[in-house]
Amino acid sequence: EVQLLESGGGLVQPGGSLRLSCAASGFTFSSYAIQWVRQVPGKGLEWVTGSSGIGGATYYPDSVKGRFTISRDNSKNVVYLQMNSLRAEDTALYYCVRNRGPWGHDAFDFWGLGTMVTVS
Amino acid sequence: EVLMTQSPATLSVSPGERVTLSCRASQSVTRNLAWYQQKPGQAPRLLIYDASTRATGIPARFSGSGSGTEFTLSISSLQSEDFAIYYCQQYNNWPPYTFGQGTKLEIK
Repeated sequence: EVQLLESGGGLVQPGGSLRLSCAASGFTFSSYAIQWVRQVPGKGLEWVTGSSGIGGATYYPDSVKGRFTISRDNSKNVVYLQMNSLRAEDTALYYCVRNRGPWGHDAFDFWGLGTMVTVS
Repeated sequence: EVLMTQSPATLSVSPGERVTLSCRASQSVTRNLAWYQQKPGQAPRLLIYDASTRATGIPARFSGSGSGTEFTLSISSLQSEDFAIYYCQQYNNWPPYTFGQGTKLEIK
């Protein structure tokens, strides 16, 4: 059974840092791209960052570029999201998400339950 | 960045009815379009990918169609568990992946 378990969320002051983790199980981790998607409670979905399964290329939208860093440890089946210079607008529920394939050019077929980040 | 626009924002329907939700892309995304369902307190769930392919375990009453810039998600004979928020997402021109703002399906 595919599982994605996020951890590391919490309350942080503006300008602070937080590192989220996503522990994956139930599939060949290195063969899949992994993304982070966030959602302000009651609002829509926003893609945050991602890492391809092969080669580990990383991608960021302008809203987090230079502040957030995604990394993955294929030996431990874990993805990390290092978030620096946090702002109030980063407050959201952060989901770890798996692409259907290794390159990211695909839909998101499994989602974790999310971890809440509050910047205040 | 591809802008995804869903309509309507809210749809009030009765159980047993058929419903069609719309999603429009600001530029062609070919058929690289997915639909997700989100219920309160839950993570989104993949329903449809590649515009018309049902994900594993998704009932046949859910169907997707379209290509280019116009897409629809249809649900035949609405069940009580189908009342939720539905999002479309393009994965053709990324980064960034972009989502529609969602359509809320509520009981009439």
